[in-house]
Parts: sequence; C-alpha cells; structure tokens
Amino acid sequence: SQQGEEDPQALSIQEGENATMNCSYKTSINNLQWYRQNSGRGLVHLILIRSNEREKHSGRLRVTLDTSKKSSSLLITASRAADTASYFCAEEFNTDKLIFGTGTRLQVFP
Amino acid sequence: EAGVAQSPRYKIIEKRQSVAFWCNPISGHATLYWYQQILGQGPKLLIQFQNNGVVDDSQLPKDRFSAERLKGVDSTLKIQPAKLEDSAVYLCASSLSRLTDTQYFGPGTRLTVL
Repeated sequence: SQQGEEDPQALSIQEGENATMNCSYKTSINNLQWYRQNSGRGLVHLILIRSNEREKHSGRLRVTLDTSKKSSSLLITASRAADTASYFCAEEFNTDKLIFGTGTRLQVFP
Repeated sequence: EAGVAQSPRYKIIEKRQSVAFWCNPISGHATLYWYQQILGQGPKLLIQFQNNGVVDDSQLPKDRFSAERLKGVDSTLKIQPAKLEDSAVYLCASSLSRLTDTQYFGPGTRLTVL
C-alpha cells in the first residue's frame, strides 16, 4: 500500500496545550496537505506545504516538511475543544492525485 | 457558495444488492473524485474525472463498481453486487481543475452492507 502513516494514532490533551502530529509518506511529492475531519464539517483542507518549503504557518497551525526523511509534522498551538477531530496528511505525487495517511484522532478536553 | 452535495447520507443494504450514490460538485469545478473511506483509515481514491472523462480509475474494483459523469457535472457511483467489505463512507470531492491544489469534500454517504 502507498498509504502513509501518522503518529500517534490517537492523542488526548487539555485545552490550551499544544498538539503535534507526525506523518511519514512514501512517494516523491509535489506537495503535502493536511486535512481535518469531524462529524460536523466532514473533511476540510487545512494547509498545503510545497516540496521546496520547510515550514509554513496558518493561524494556530504550523507545518514542517523534511523531504529527506519523507516526513511532516502538524502542530496545533493553544488547542481548543473545537479542534477535536481526526487529522490526515495527504501526499500529492501526481498533479492533484492525493494519497491520504491513516490519520491521528485528536481529543481536546475542556 | 454551495458546497459539494451528496445523497443519500446513509444507506443500509444486504450483500449482493445494488446501490447508487449521487454527487453534485461545486459549480464550475471540472475535476471530480470519488473516495472510499473504511472505518479507521484515510480516504482512498476510487476514480477521478476531468469534466466527463475518466482520468484515473486504477483503484476502482471494476467487476462491481462503476461510475459516470455524463454531462461533466454531477456523478453517480454504483456498486453491483455489494459485498460486506464495501461497508464504508463514500466521499465525493471536487476541485476547480487538475492544476488546483485544494479539493473540497462533500459530507459523504455511509454505506452499511449486512
């Protein structure tokens, strides 16, 4: 399977803490994307980082990319209960074809 | 702007029955995708359309699954006959073009095969 892996599989934290999720992918990517999925809003695009970028920020999100190690991390700072969701990385190796990872289930307790 | 619409939201069928899912992408989006998401896993691409042509169906089990996008707008995914392992959420997504990075997902159809 080409599917990447995410670590940890599940993460529980308190509101206000930071959450870090890691993604290992398998292909030579054009870019890597992160998505969030919860029961209320379905699967939503969060952020995209291109293969020539090392770090990117969007609000409380920080994504890093290490193409030599084929890995990426997503950091959510000052987490909120509303951040409770599953988070998926998705590697794009052909134009617009995405391979999703296995996901990290994040639970943020008030 | 209206999002990607899918119906039905839920479907329960017995094995060997047939089922069809419908998707209406965001207006003006040329590229449409169908994904299968099994519980506890990430979505897996089944088929990708560019307008009404198939771009990639390499992971579509063609002996039982079929999909069409006849007028280059809405699309239908069919399973005939269904197996127990087809129980999953079927997600439809669309993007403006193949050169656009962001895919927009619909709410999905949760299929249970008994």
